[in-house]
Amino acid sequence: DTAVSQTPKYLVTQMGNDKSIKCEQNLGHDTMYWYKQDSKKFLKIMFSYNNKELIINETVPNRFSPKSPDKAHLNLHINSLELGDSAVYFCASSLQGGDEKLFFGSGTQLSVL
Amino acid sequence: GENVEQHPSTLSVQEGDSAVIKCTYSDSASNYFPWYKQELGKGPQLIIDIRSNVGEKKDQRIAVTLNKTAKHFSLHITETQPEDSAVYFCAASKGTGGFKTIFGAGTRLFVKA
Repeated sequence: DTAVSQTPKYLVTQMGNDKSIKCEQNLGHDTMYWYKQDSKKFLKIMFSYNNKELIINETVPNRFSPKSPDKAHLNLHINSLELGDSAVYFCASSLQGGDEKLFFGSGTQLSVL
Repeated sequence: GENVEQHPSTLSVQEGDSAVIKCTYSDSASNYFPWYKQELGKGPQLIIDIRSNVGEKKDQRIAVTLNKTAKHFSLHITETQPEDSAVYFCAASKGTGGFKTIFGAGTRLFVKA
C-alpha cells in the first residue's frame, strides 16, 4: 500500500488549459505539502496544509489553487496553464509539520505545450 | 530569507571510494537537518537526519556531521556502490513556525563501477 500516492503520473496539456493533480496519504499525518521540482532538480515548497488549513503559501500565483477536503487529501488545481508551469510536482506529508521527516509521493510530471 | 546552499552540484567517484556533500544554512533557528536521496523517476526519500543537539550520526555506510556554530552540515558515504548513484538533497527545517522544509539545490552522485 503506497503511503503517499498522487495521480496522474504524467500530464501533457496545452497552454491555457486547466488541470488537477490529486494526492492522498494513508499515514494518518496531519500535514501535507506541494513541492515543485524544476528542470534543474531544484525543490521548492509551494503550499503547506495542516489539518485541512492552509499554513504556507509560498508566493505562488493565484492560478494555483490547492484544496484539502480532509487531512488525508490535498489536491492541486492549476488554471490557465503556462509554459513555465512545466515541472515535476511532488506531494508530501509529515506527522505534524515542522522539524520532521517528509514522505513524498512519486511525482507528477507536467508538460505544458 | 531562509536558504540552504549545497556543494558540489555533481560528484563522480570510483566504486569503493568515499563521497562527501556539504551544505550551509542561513536560518539560525533551524534545528532539523534531513538528507534525501532521489532516484530517477521517484520522489525523494529520507536516508538519514540529524538534530541540532547532536554533532554526528552514523548509519552503516552513511554519516552526517553538524557544526551549529558555522551553520554547516555534511553527508559522508563510505565504500560507495553503483546503487548509491542518485541525486542527494540536504534540507533544513525548524519546529517553531515550521511547516516548511528548505532544500539545497541537490548533488548528482555518479559511482563508477
